[in-house]
Amino acid sequence: GAVVSQHPSRVICKSGTSVKIECRSLDFQATTMFWYRQFPKQSLMLMATSNEGSKATYEQGVEKDKFLINHASLTLSTLTVTSAHPEDSSFYICSARGMGQGASFSYEQYFGPGTRLTVT
Amino acid sequence: GESVGLHLPTLSVQEGDNSIINCAYSNSASDYFIWYKQESGKGPQFIIDIRSNMDKRQGQRVTVLLNKTVKHLSLQIAATQPGDSAVYFCAENLILTGGGNKLTFGTGTQLKVEL
Repeated sequence: GAVVSQHPSRVICKSGTSVKIECRSLDFQATTMFWYRQFPKQSLMLMATSNEGSKATYEQGVEKDKFLINHASLTLSTLTVTSAHPEDSSFYICSARGMGQGASFSYEQYFGPGTRLTVT
Repeated sequence: GESVGLHLPTLSVQEGDNSIINCAYSNSASDYFIWYKQESGKGPQFIIDIRSNMDKRQGQRVTVLLNKTVKHLSLQIAATQPGDSAVYFCAENLILTGGGNKLTFGTGTQLKVEL
């Protein structure tokens, strides 16, 4: 149980275009989803936290107009990178947290497999 | 953007030996700590967790030790196997004012298992 999927796993887009990444919780309802970005040989950095049905909370330094997050249902959150540039090339990882799905603690997060974005 | 020149600390061990990976965390108010394993091109995989009211927790071949006095966390892997080769991250959980939580990840350690 507690599986999180992401789509696509890899995407290449041209500079100036927008790209959407989906994150789905497959067997539980995710009240909260998190989006992280990871550059090569670096740690995961939290970009934003989204709760179903409300606006996302962005971390300091993350442009909310550039990284649009939608969490319209309890099983789906999307991250749209708008007007992508080469410096946005990174590994984007989502995680999901639900309530009472057998986790030891209510704050346990389940991570997706990541999406490799390359902007040319 | 990407930073030039950064590299992960690397721990090289012989197959069958025990591995100890260390982590310093930053916030004394963190209430929960997790170790993740990340293989190349994949998302983090949960290994083991520990609450702040504990100082040791054991799993299958893994043990996590927590020293709150010096804000230090360690992951011990017994009888390290080639399949253990990966990057290991510690993460600390902080409860936020007004509800919710936030995970902050450490810098990571690359574990290389030599045959």
